[in-house]
Amino acid sequence: NAGVTQTPKFQVLKTGQSMTLQCAQDMNHEYMSWYRQDPGMGLRLIHYSVGAGITDQGEVPNGYNVSRSTTEDFPLRLLSAAPSQTSVYFCASSYYGQGSETQYFGPGTRLLVL
Amino acid sequence: QQQVKQSPQSLIVQKGGISIINCAYENTAFDYFPWYQQFPGKGPALLIAIRPDVSEKKEGRFTISFNKSAKQFSLHIMDSQPGDSATYFCAASISNFGNEKLTFGTGTRLTIIP
Repeated sequence: NAGVTQTPKFQVLKTGQSMTLQCAQDMNHEYMSWYRQDPGMGLRLIHYSVGAGITDQGEVPNGYNVSRSTTEDFPLRLLSAAPSQTSVYFCASSYYGQGSETQYFGPGTRLLVL
Repeated sequence: QQQVKQSPQSLIVQKGGISIINCAYENTAFDYFPWYQQFPGKGPALLIAIRPDVSEKKEGRFTISFNKSAKQFSLHIMDSQPGDSATYFCAASISNFGNEKLTFGTGTRLTIIP
């Protein structure tokens, strides 16, 4: 199993540009989520999904869109990038339900918005 | 509002010593408390976790101590080794159907010196 994979590893954008961060998992996990990690702030939940066709907002959803058309993929879209979105983005997945505690994180995407 | 407060921000411990990282939470509905370990350039990985029905959980050199009345929990790393040098995050969630909404602390950068 490849686990949770993310692409690209690093991206530079100009203010106002759009892009999609890709996330895929091959563990048949129902639950997937996106976090951003900023110095001194830990990881903050952006959006999450409990299954195909179902998404919901986390703590910091503004400026980001998500969709979940398949169990495996959960892309994160930045419609109009802003310097405040410079961060490291992590995708995570897990089984969904009581006892399914472990969330598996991808290697991250480092995004720089100029 | 930071629902999970973590301290210290950074910690230097000599090899063989005990590393202690503390977290405090505010939401009494939290019922799952994991610790994640993150190495540079990697995503976080689950290290150990506890539920509030026990006051301590030990896995090898890693122990979580939990104080429900004080709303505090801590990670103890016994016989700390250079390979333990990493950033550690505490987290908390409410497990209605799973643990989809992890609230993370701000992280502790641990350095083990020879």
